[in-house]
Amino acid sequence: EVQLVESGGGLVQPGRSLKLSCAASGFTFSNYYMAWVRQAPKKGLEWVATISTSGSRTYYPDSVKGRFTISRDNAKSSLYLQMNSLKSEDTATYYCARLEGIKDFDYWGQGVMVTVSS
Amino acid sequence: DVVLTQTPPTLSATIGQSVSISCRSSQSLLHSNGNTYLHWLLQRPGQSPQLLIYSVSRLESGVPNRFSGSGSGTDFTLKISGVEAEDLGVYYCVQGTHAYTFGAGTKLELK
Repeated sequence: EVQLVESGGGLVQPGRSLKLSCAASGFTFSNYYMAWVRQAPKKGLEWVATISTSGSRTYYPDSVKGRFTISRDNAKSSLYLQMNSLKSEDTATYYCARLEGIKDFDYWGQGVMVTVSS
Repeated sequence: DVVLTQTPPTLSATIGQSVSISCRSSQSLLHSNGNTYLHWLLQRPGQSPQLLIYSVSRLESGVPNRFSGSGSGTDFTLKISGVEAEDLGVYYCVQGTHAYTFGAGTKLELK
């Protein structure tokens, strides 16, 4: 059974950093692109980052480019999101999701809450 | 950047009613490789999103066949043929042809 389990969320002050993790199991992690998607309270979904199978290619929207870094450790079947210079507008539930080309976003984690507030 | 416009934002339906949701893109979603990366997700209250339809019209495994998707280019539709109580929630279209963009969502509620 495919499972994605996020961790590392919490309350952080504006301007500080936080690193999220996503532990994958039930599939060959190294064969899949992966993504982070967030959802602000009572709002819709927003793509945050994508990483290739090897980790050599990463992609971000302008809203987080230069502040967030996606990475992975295929030996540990783990995905990460390093978030720096956090802003109040980064407050959201963060989901990791599996990408599969024509069938993107076929599996999602349960999400982890990040609150940026002083 | 690609913008996906979903309509209507809210949909009220009775059990058994058939409904449709539209997703219109600001750019063609036909990729140079011939694929169209337009998918539909459902987020039930308090849950993570789940994939319903991928690549416009392909039904994800385990999803009831009352769900169907159609469209091409910039105009896409999700149809539910006979709404059931478990279908309530927010539906999102998402495109993966030009990076990724989600539609704003359509909330399906009981009338």
